[in-house]
Amino acid sequence: DGGITQSPKYLFRKEGQNVTLSCEQNLNHDAMYWYRQDPGQGLRLIYYSQIVNDFQKGDIAEGYSVSREKKESFPLTVTSAQKNPTAFYLCASSIAGAGGTDTQYFGPGTRLTVL
Amino acid sequence: AQSVAQPEDQVNVAEGNPLTVKCTYSVSGNPYLFWYVQYPNRGLQFLLKYITGDNLVKGSYGFEAEFNKSQTSFHLKKPSALVSDSALYFCAVRDRDTGRRALTFGSGTRLQVQP
Repeated sequence: DGGITQSPKYLFRKEGQNVTLSCEQNLNHDAMYWYRQDPGQGLRLIYYSQIVNDFQKGDIAEGYSVSREKKESFPLTVTSAQKNPTAFYLCASSIAGAGGTDTQYFGPGTRLTVL
Repeated sequence: AQSVAQPEDQVNVAEGNPLTVKCTYSVSGNPYLFWYVQYPNRGLQFLLKYITGDNLVKGSYGFEAEFNKSQTSFHLKKPSALVSDSALYFCAVRDRDTGRRALTFGSGTRLQVQP
């Protein structure tokens, strides 16, 4: 899992609540990513950011929001608009540029359960 | 659009036997290909990647993968399986010609190595 930390490891949310998942990296990487993992579906991209103060929607951004105020941090907020938020959430980072050859390194994940 | 197919949900192999985990991809341009491994309730660990050059790529823990452009495949192999190799394996692709930053993942293949 290298220099990427995610917290908390487990998170429980009541319906209608917003929750924020933390992701921090000390690898000096420019790019950061959020993926959602559901059983049998692999990983799906929620949001990514290539530079501070800039981010783009991924394939399943609805019901989620992010910010990128610092290079080291890329928090994900799961809003009440996300209809089925129970999943395993993975944060990743990589060096930007490199013509797309960069490797993404993953954090240990946060398991979110809606009660 | 880019996509990855991992046709086997599970692969069973006896310890000491060779193993193969299959992956085929689809991109409009040329691919960058990656393999990751995931242990229960953990993040993904990078194994190896194909960028260019030699079609046989060697990676961590004795794994290797062969890029076959004509068959659009990137199968993961290991000459002699260990019980500790039992895990979930993901293949991922990035199209080097589209500029899409994030990876597209397959649905994963669970490898079970029996003692």
